[in-house]
Amino acid sequence: DVKVTQSSRYLVKRTGEKVFLECVQDMDHENMFWYRQDPGLGLRLIYFSYDVKMKEKGDIPEGYSVSREKKERFSLILESASTNQTSMYLCASSPQDSYGYTFGSGTRLTVV
Amino acid sequence: RKEVEQDPGPFNVPEGATVAFNCTYSNSASQSFFWYRQDCRKEPKLLMSVYSSGNEDGRFTAQLNRASQYISLLIRDSKLSDSATYLCVVRATGTASKLTFGTGTRLQVTL
Repeated sequence: DVKVTQSSRYLVKRTGEKVFLECVQDMDHENMFWYRQDPGLGLRLIYFSYDVKMKEKGDIPEGYSVSREKKERFSLILESASTNQTSMYLCASSPQDSYGYTFGSGTRLTVV
Repeated sequence: RKEVEQDPGPFNVPEGATVAFNCTYSNSASQSFFWYRQDCRKEPKLLMSVYSSGNEDGRFTAQLNRASQYISLLIRDSKLSDSATYLCVVRATGTASKLTFGTGTRLQVTL
């Protein structure tokens, strides 16, 4: 069964901390994505990557960065966490030229 | 204006009812369309793609109207297990595989 695994289901961090959210997929997919989901706002794209070491800004990249050193791993980094980054973070992957995303189960991040 | 707009609901329907959700999109260059389903506190999962000629998958029927930039999902003979949030999703030309999600329509099917 294909899988996208996010390292943590729940995280609580303090304002100003550097936060790493990890995502690993075992399907050899080229494309990987980070979204955040907030009530009333839906899923919003933060960053995506269509190849190793490649990254593209999504709709709301401010305050975030990403790293993709290996094909299977796509990391989201909050350089200095703030309370407005409290959210559900969802990682997804898809094969090249395919639009069928597989999502991870999400990380619910609370910044206090 | 949001790129993809949906009525948030909730739609409360009895078991066995037929229910329809609508969605509009603003980018006329959108070329691929989908419905995703998201259960409470779970990740979204692909329900079905939406084709220009309309398509059916069991009790689910999806329609696309490019002229009006409008997508619909019809669920017949609703089951309790259909209770979820339904996300309308589009992809625009030239955006690699990037998808844009609507905020979702919540469906609650009751006895």
